[in-house]
Amino acid sequence: GAVVSQHPSWVICKSGTSVKIECRSLDFQATTMFWYRQFPKQSLMLMATSNEGSKATYEQGVEKDKFLINHASLTLSTLTVTSAHPEDSSFYICSARTSGLYNEQFFGPGTRLTVL
Amino acid sequence: DAKTTQPTSMDCAEGRAANLPCNHSTISGNEYVYWYRQIHSQGPQYIIHGLKNNETNEMASLIITEDRKSSTLILPHATLRDTAVYYCIVRVDSGGSNYKLTFGKGTLLTVNP
Repeated sequence: GAVVSQHPSWVICKSGTSVKIECRSLDFQATTMFWYRQFPKQSLMLMATSNEGSKATYEQGVEKDKFLINHASLTLSTLTVTSAHPEDSSFYICSARTSGLYNEQFFGPGTRLTVL
Repeated sequence: DAKTTQPTSMDCAEGRAANLPCNHSTISGNEYVYWYRQIHSQGPQYIIHGLKNNETNEMASLIITEDRKSSTLILPHATLRDTAVYYCIVRVDSGGSNYKLTFGKGTLLTVNP
């Protein structure tokens, strides 16, 4: 199956700093990428959907100025958590969708963010 | 998308079949049933999907009732590595790319030695 990678796999930062998480589709072109957030013992919550070369579409309640998403190429999307606070500590998972007939969606391994 | 209902947790003995149910009574005719699983602290992994007919692949079988209001994911010979949260998702497939996967709470399957 298609492979989606994320970097870093975990990050610890101080409150008030910004953190960038990269998501790459390694062996396919992803016209659409998704960012999810998962708090402990909870399900995945979709944060935003991004199409290559377009502005991201954010889900209700997600601050677009705080969670900056860039999808500059068909294989790379980045999520920047600006001015991170302890409540932003979570497991962030990206997902990429293939184009074409089957249009399947594959998930990255996730990034554990801890804000001190 | 149609909502799904799954049991919170299930147990299964290693080597036995694991049968995970999912109710999707409000499913529409063009909505597919997808199954993903998430092993602790990892991203979700695709398992299988289907529309009307039963499906089988190297990982599992998917049995969809004739009225499509429920389905069962079958892991024929569960191993300890199959311990995970299993998500049943109903997805509209219009042939385009404008769909979103909405995750419910899923079923925590624990495979016991």
